[in-house]
Amino acid sequence: AQSVTQPDARVTVSEGASLQLRCKYSYSATPYLFWYVQYPRQGLQLLLKYYSGDPVVQGVNGFEAEFSKSNSSFHLRKASVHWSDSAVYFCAVSIGTGANTGKLTFGHGTILRVHP
Amino acid sequence: AQTIHQWPVAEIKAVGSPLSLGCTIKGKSSPNLYWYWQATGGTLQQLFYSITVGQVESVVQLNLSASRPKDDQFILSTEKLLLSHSGFYLCAWSPGVDTQYFGPGTRLLVL
Repeated sequence: AQSVTQPDARVTVSEGASLQLRCKYSYSATPYLFWYVQYPRQGLQLLLKYYSGDPVVQGVNGFEAEFSKSNSSFHLRKASVHWSDSAVYFCAVSIGTGANTGKLTFGHGTILRVHP
Repeated sequence: AQTIHQWPVAEIKAVGSPLSLGCTIKGKSSPNLYWYWQATGGTLQQLFYSITVGQVESVVQLNLSASRPKDDQFILSTEKLLLSHSGFYLCAWSPGVDTQYFGPGTRLLVL
């Protein structure tokens, strides 16, 4: 069964510092890959997605992610974080085929806290 | 532009009472629709999905049911709530095999 692992439950950084949130997936084929962000008491917002092509994808608010097939990873990065980036970040994968083509499997999330 | 609305925003219900949560998508015809459940501080788990009106598939058994009475409407319900039903319920839509867009969610507390 496919799975998504976000090894860092919590990450704390200072405002202006660079950021990397890790995501590893386990699946035999290359799935569709997503990063979502959840602000307190809100739904999920899409940051970026990867289907194919250039392994580095750009997202909203200065976020980018890099897909690595050899490492089965899809790490999220930002060059300089702002205090408003404090939120929970979820990595998710989708098979994209089969009866439930939209079945997203989520990681457990990484709580990001940015010190002002 | 597409918009997704969920109601109610929050509910406090007693164990054993019925529940009905709703989700409406405007601006997109024949979307794929999904229900997710998120335990407090936890990850998201897909509960149901629907490709078309009147057809709903269950992904996880949590003593809940779902229906799609209209193209743009997805309902989550149960006749008897359990304590374990507490959490955050999210509705999502997608145009197909593509990105899912989430609603604002409904927070449920069962006492």
